[in-house]
Amino acid sequence: EADIYQTPRYLVIGTGKKITLECSQTMGHDKMYWYQQDPGMELHLIHYSYGVNSTEKGDLSSESTVSRIRTEHFPLTLESARPSHTSQYLCASSVQIRGRTEAFFGQGTRLTVV
Amino acid sequence: KNQVEQSPQSLIILEGKNCTLQCNYTVSPFSNLRWYKQDTGRGPVSLTIMTFSENTKSNGRYTATLDADTKQSSLHITASQLSDSASYICVVSDRGSTLGRLYFGRGTQLTVWP
Repeated sequence: EADIYQTPRYLVIGTGKKITLECSQTMGHDKMYWYQQDPGMELHLIHYSYGVNSTEKGDLSSESTVSRIRTEHFPLTLESARPSHTSQYLCASSVQIRGRTEAFFGQGTRLTVV
Repeated sequence: KNQVEQSPQSLIILEGKNCTLQCNYTVSPFSNLRWYKQDTGRGPVSLTIMTFSENTKSNGRYTATLDADTKQSSLHITASQLSDSASYICVVSDRGSTLGRLYFGRGTQLTVWP
C-alpha cells in the first residue's frame, strides 16, 4: 500500500456549506492529482500539480479549487457545496521510475451534498 | 483523441471459474498500461504494469497480456474468488507530456458468486 491518505472517507453536508477534502502523501512526490468519479464511470481529472505553488485545472471543469503550499499536502476546497457536487473524489500522486509513471491512489472521499 | 475502452462493462461468474477482461486503447505515444482493482468505495490499487516491450505479466492469479501492435490488453483471472468482486480499470499513460498523463477506462464490474 502506498502512503497517500485522504480525509474524510465519507462526508454528508448541506447545500451552501464550504468544505475542504484533505490529501496527504509521505513519499515526496512532486506530482499530485484530484480525480472525480461518479458510480460506474471513469475517473476524470479535475486538478493537478507539478509541485509546490503549481496548480492546474484538469479535463473536467470543476467548481472546486486546490492549493499546494507543501509538497506533501494537496487539499481540495468547495466554497459552496451543491447536490451536483455529489461524487467520489480520488487523490493520487505519481513518480517516474525507470521511465514509467507509477501512480498511487488514496482511498477516496465519498461526498454527498443534500 | 486518446481513449481507453473496456469490455465487458459488467461480468458475473461463479467462484472458481476463470474470466478475461478486455482493454483497447488509442493513446499515443504509448508509455505503459496498468490494470487496477478498485473495491467499492475505495481507491484503485495497481495489479500489473506493462511497458511497450512486455507481452505478458503475471501477479498471482492475475495475468495481463499486451499487444502493442493492435493496442489491446487483456486481464485473465484464474480460479476466481469472492474477493475478486470489484471494478477492474485499465489505465494507459502516454510519454508525450511531462505530466505522464493517465487515461482511464470505465472499468469492468466483476461479480463473483458462490
